[in-house]
Amino acid sequence: AQTVTQSQPEMSVQEAETVTLSCTYDTSESDYYLFWYKQPPSRQMILVIRQEAYKQQNATENRFSVNFQKAAKSFSLKISDSQLGDAAMYFCAWVLIQGAQKLVFGQGTRLTINP
Amino acid sequence: DAGITQSPRHKVTETGTPVTLRCHQTENHRYMYWYRQDPGHGLRLIHYSYGVKDTDKGEVSDGYSVSRSKTEDFLLTLESATSSQTSVYFCAISAQTSTDTQYFGPGTRLTVL
Repeated sequence: AQTVTQSQPEMSVQEAETVTLSCTYDTSESDYYLFWYKQPPSRQMILVIRQEAYKQQNATENRFSVNFQKAAKSFSLKISDSQLGDAAMYFCAWVLIQGAQKLVFGQGTRLTINP
Repeated sequence: DAGITQSPRHKVTETGTPVTLRCHQTENHRYMYWYRQDPGHGLRLIHYSYGVKDTDKGEVSDGYSVSRSKTEDFLLTLESATSSQTSVYFCAISAQTSTDTQYFGPGTRLTVL
């Protein structure tokens, strides 16, 4: 069974600084996608960024970027110029490119932004 | 935002009672999913649907059943609620398979006393 592990239950960063959230996964599959979702106090799940495993180039969305290391099965999220609105739970997720999109989530990392 | 609503948004019930949660979408997406969120576990897939009357089990399906009689509605039923089913339940939808982004509803907080 596929597993996704987020080893940092909590992280904190000063406003305007950069923070990196870690995620590792375990799979024997070769074709899959990886995601980072953000869950603010409103509880809404919001897609932050997506990475296709067949792409070597790391995905970037404005202040959010990933470091995807396929051989190491590592998928970290870097948030640059942290803002107060970035405070949330962040979930890493994996899905196989085949059939229904059955997401496998990590346990989550709670990110606090210090003003 | 994707047109996904969940009802009710909050519910408190007693052990042994049946409970039905509803997910409604206005996007005409093929796939619908039910997840539960618990501290320390992230979100875990309960059941999913790949079309009207087509459903399958997820990782944590014991104690739950689902039905989808229309494209827009996906129901999750707890036949006899237990305290271990106290959780936040999320519905999600996606248009195709893994090539499409999965969008989530606002969640339902269920408390079983």
